Amino acid sequence: VQLVESGGGLVQPGGSLRLSCAASGFSFSDYFMSWVRQAPGKGLEWVAWIQSGSAYINYADSVKGRFTISRDNAKSSLYLQMNSLRAEDTAVYYCARLRYIDSWFSDYWGQGTLVTVSS
Amino acid sequence: DIQVTQSPSSLSASVGDRVTITCRASQSIGNYLNWYQQKPGEAPKVLIYAASSLQSGVPSRFSGSGSGTDFTLTISGLLPEDSATYYCQRGYSVLAFGGGTKVDIK
Repeated sequence: VQLVESGGGLVQPGGSLRLSCAASGFSFSDYFMSWVRQAPGKGLEWVAWIQSGSAYINYADSVKGRFTISRDNAKSSLYLQMNSLRAEDTAVYYCARLRYIDSWFSDYWGQGTLVTVSS
Repeated sequence: DIQVTQSPSSLSASVGDRVTITCRASQSIGNYLNWYQQKPGEAPKVLIYAASSLQSGVPSRFSGSGSGTDFTLTISGLLPEDSATYYCQRGYSVLAFGGGTKVDIK
């Protein structure tokens, strides 16, 4: 299993950025996927998850209405479109596979991609 | 929404000690509670899922217990490589994390 994030970088407040996560080594279309972020020196913050067929999606209140999670099962790829970015969105963004065994948990994670929101 | 709160925020213990970290949910979450370990510069790693199930490959010195609103992660026999930050996470709907507990070795 491998998850590789890309698309991070420096963006001005109010700007947009699209993160990608390329998945390999498993049947991507069978799994729910998630984004989790971590601001510098801070704890983990769950951002969003998406059902395997994209029918169900959930967001943290902090990003609702600004971020959009999506996936392309044919390309084994997960995305996070981030609009109206704020300084507090500065973080390392991790893509993670979700698995359900009596609880939803992330069993595989990418290495993360850094998003910096600054003028 | 349901919040999960960890305590303590940090602790220092000696090699061989038994270490206990607590996570409390603002409402009952059944057994929908996971524990992760994160070392500096690395992605998190799941240790325990569904409150008490040990993830494959995780050493048996790690254990989890609890249900409803009160949960515990125990490290029985702390090793130097256990120096890390530990997070609890709600395991359904809003997958919120606790604030983390940093464990240092004395």
